[in-house]
Amino acid sequence: KAGVTQTPRYLIKTRGQQVTLSCSPISGHRSVSWYQQTPGQGLQFLFEYFSETQRNKGNFPGRFSGRQFSNSRSEMNVSTLELGDSALYLCASSSGLAGNNEQFFGPGTRLTVL
Amino acid sequence: GEDVEQSLFLSVREGDSSVINCTYTDSSSTYLYWYKQEPGAGLQLLTYIFSNMDMKQDQRLTVLLNKKDKHLSLRIADTQTGDSAIYFCAEPNAGNNRKLIWGLGTSLAVNP
Repeated sequence: KAGVTQTPRYLIKTRGQQVTLSCSPISGHRSVSWYQQTPGQGLQFLFEYFSETQRNKGNFPGRFSGRQFSNSRSEMNVSTLELGDSALYLCASSSGLAGNNEQFFGPGTRLTVL
Repeated sequence: GEDVEQSLFLSVREGDSSVINCTYTDSSSTYLYWYKQEPGAGLQLLTYIFSNMDMKQDQRLTVLLNKKDKHLSLRIADTQTGDSAIYFCAEPNAGNNRKLIWGLGTSLAVNP
């Protein structure tokens, strides 16, 4: 079974630009969660999508948005980039069903904002 | 609010045991997780423990759960250089177990 894939692996953008990151979950998984990882703040939950609907949301500004397609692939968009958005963005897939919330992570997209 | 705390660094010699500790706040957590992150890689689920268990053993890994003190530990026996990584403890959010609350991670350095 293929794992979680994320593209691109690395991105360099400048302030004010926008960026779209992509995540393909494990086949059969319907839930995709996004996290931001920075050295100072650790892993911060952004949002979770399940069956094309945002099911949970963290405490990030509206510049951070996402969506999920019918094949469970998910995209995350950040508009009007700020220097502080530089981070590793991780996506995790899970079955999304009740019970053990075991999540499988992709390798991440390293975003650098200059 | 909810918080998961871990010490940030641990250094051990190859062949010794490593013990990584974590404290959490939500006593109603059903599962508690340990993840491993190697340099430049995503997170990998190492193991988890159900809240009605005190201990879980899986090869070189032993997880101990003290619910009274809200303390979780991960013991790695016979630590190898390949175990060098950051280890994260995580618990489900109290109001919504679809969200995980994470510690900042413990960076384990294994010295030959």
